[in-house]
Formats: sequence, structure tokens, C-alpha cells
Amino acid sequence: GQSLEQPSEVTAVEGAIVQINCTYQTSGFYGLSWYQQHDGGAPTFLSYNALDGLEETGRFSSFLSRSDSYGYLLLQELQMKDSASYFCAVRVGRGSTLGRLYFGRGTQLTVWP
Amino acid sequence: DAGITQSPRYKITETGRQVTLMCHQTWSHSYMFWYRQDLGHGLRLIYYSAAADITDKGEVPDGYVVSRSKTENFPLTLESATRSQTSVYFCASSEARGSGTGELFFGEGSRLTVL
Repeated sequence: GQSLEQPSEVTAVEGAIVQINCTYQTSGFYGLSWYQQHDGGAPTFLSYNALDGLEETGRFSSFLSRSDSYGYLLLQELQMKDSASYFCAVRVGRGSTLGRLYFGRGTQLTVWP
Repeated sequence: DAGITQSPRYKITETGRQVTLMCHQTWSHSYMFWYRQDLGHGLRLIYYSAAADITDKGEVPDGYVVSRSKTENFPLTLESATRSQTSVYFCASSEARGSGTGELFFGEGSRLTVL
């Protein structure tokens, strides 16, 4: 089976930097994804790491260490609109069966003015 | 319009009734998924499909049935609804090529209440 651990909630103020950690245990690991979900909305894709290292997309960065089964999402210059739930998800599969995503329980980020 | 749509968006039913949630995507993505979302549990995979006529169980398949006779449709049926199946159900699709990000595109969700 799959197991993902991430903090249940994080708070920060506008302009600050927040890191949301994710540790996982799974077989057939292929990559780690991050999704954002605002209240009442659908999850939307933020980033994906298949290889070790840092991926940067604007104010958001994501990191993966395959040897440590660990990743994080880094949010910089926080804005009020970043208040949302953030989910890490492991992509598993092999070859043509690639594509299943298993999600963590989510981290509720609250950004205060 | 292109995209992924779910229907109904809201449904109230009674214990023991059969309910079908519909999902339709216009991208011709090969992979489709059904997740349920409950407080404290995040998103849990119910069933997924790699292509038409190919489906497989996820983490929580009990009490659910799926079919995929056409690439664009992936209905989820609760054959005899129970109160524990009260949840928000999300359908998603993906190209899921090995070289890509495997990004999932989600529908807006179907909120199901079983009384």
C-alpha cells in the first residue's frame, strides 16, 4: 500500500515563506506531485518531481529526495489567496500502467494579513 | 466546451438506493479516476481506468462499480448506497505518459448525501 504524511495545518503571514513537508512509503514510486485546493473547489496541479532536486515555478518550488522518500513544497511571498489545502501525491506504476496518484491527507494553509 | 464535467453536482438519496455519478471528458485522455474526499482523509482513490474497457481497483473500491465502454465516459455506480458513502466525489483524467508530469485534471465534484 501507500502511506503519505504531511502536516495537517500551517499558518503564516503575508509575505512570509512556508515549507510543507511530505514523507511517503510506497512501491512502484515514479514521482511526487503537489496539488492546491481552495474551499469548495477542485484540486489543481502545482508541480511534479520525478528526479531529485528542486523545481521552481514562480513563487512555488518543490523538492524531492528519492533516497529519503521525502519532498516539500515551498511557497514564497505568501499572499492571502494562497490560503488553501495543499496535497502531496505519489505517482506509482510501471510502464504502460503508469499514472495512478495516491494523495496525502492535505495541509491546510492559512495566510494572515 | 472542452474539459471534464461531472453530473449531478449535488445529489441526496436514501440508504439502499442505486446512484450513478457521471463523468465526461473531451480531451481523449487515456486515464480516468474516481476519488472520494472526506474530512480528515484527503482524496482516496476508488477506481481508475487506463483505457476503454480497462478498469482497476484503488484504495477504497468496496460498494462501488465502474465501467468504461467509451474513452470519454467513466460512470461510478453505488449499487446500494450507505450513509458511509456520503462524500464529495471527484472525477479526474490524465494523459499519464511516462515522460510527462501525470497531471490530473479534476472535475468540479459531485456532492452526495445518503440519508
